[in-house]
Amino acid sequence: AQKITQTQPGMFVQEKEAVTLDCTYDTSDQSYGLFWYKQPSSGEMIFLIYQGSYDEQNATEGRYSLNFQKARKSANLVISASQLGDSAMYFCAMRDESFSGGYNKLIFGAGTRLAVHP
Amino acid sequence: NAGVMQNPRHLVRRRGQEARLRCSPMKGHSHVYWYRQLPEEGLKFMVYLQKENIIDESGMPKERFSAEFPKEGPSILRIQQVVRGDSAAYFCASSRDSPEAFFGQGTRLTVV
Repeated sequence: AQKITQTQPGMFVQEKEAVTLDCTYDTSDQSYGLFWYKQPSSGEMIFLIYQGSYDEQNATEGRYSLNFQKARKSANLVISASQLGDSAMYFCAMRDESFSGGYNKLIFGAGTRLAVHP
Repeated sequence: NAGVMQNPRHLVRRRGQEARLRCSPMKGHSHVYWYRQLPEEGLKFMVYLQKENIIDESGMPKERFSAEFPKEGPSILRIQQVVRGDSAAYFCASSRDSPEAFFGQGTRLTVV
C-alpha cells in the first residue's frame, strides 16, 4: 500500500529565507508521481509542482523546487525567498502511475503548516 | 475557461438530513474524483468516476454515501442521514486523460 509521511506538523521561516518541507513516501510501484499542493486559509487546493518517478532531473516551478531522492524515497519541497503569502498548509501527495489515462487517485500526507514571519 | 465548480461552498445540515454536494468538472474533463478532508488532516480519496460509471469507490464509506456522474449535469456526492462525524470539507477534482488533476474550492459541510 502507498503511504505519504510528513513529519513536520509546523514550520516557520523568516521572510526572504528558504525553507524545506519534508516528505517521505512508501510504495512498491515502479511508476508513480509525486505532487505538492498548497492550501491557504481560504481552503482551496493549489497545485504547486509534480515529479515523475522516472524523471532524472528535479522539478522546478518558479520559487518551488522538489528535491527528489529516489533511493531514500523522499520528495522534499524547497521554497526559496519566502513571502508572507506563502503562509499556508502544504500537502505532499503520490499517485500510482501504472494505470493509463486519467487515473488520478492521490494519496495525501497529513500536511505541514508553514508560517512566514516578517 | 472556468475551473472546477463546487456548490454549495458551505452547507449546514441537521443530524439525520441528507446532504447533496455538486461538482461541475472543467470543460472537456471526463474524470471526476471526490476527496474528504477532516479537520487538521490531509485529503482522503473517496471515489473516482467517469461519465455514468463508478471506476473506484474504495474510499467510500459502505453506508449512507453514494456518488454519481451522469451523462448530463454535474457529479453529485450524496450523504444520507448525516451524523456529526460527516462534518468535513469535501473536494472534487477533475482531469482529462492526463496526469494533472484540478481541484475545486471544496464544500464545507457542518452537521449540527
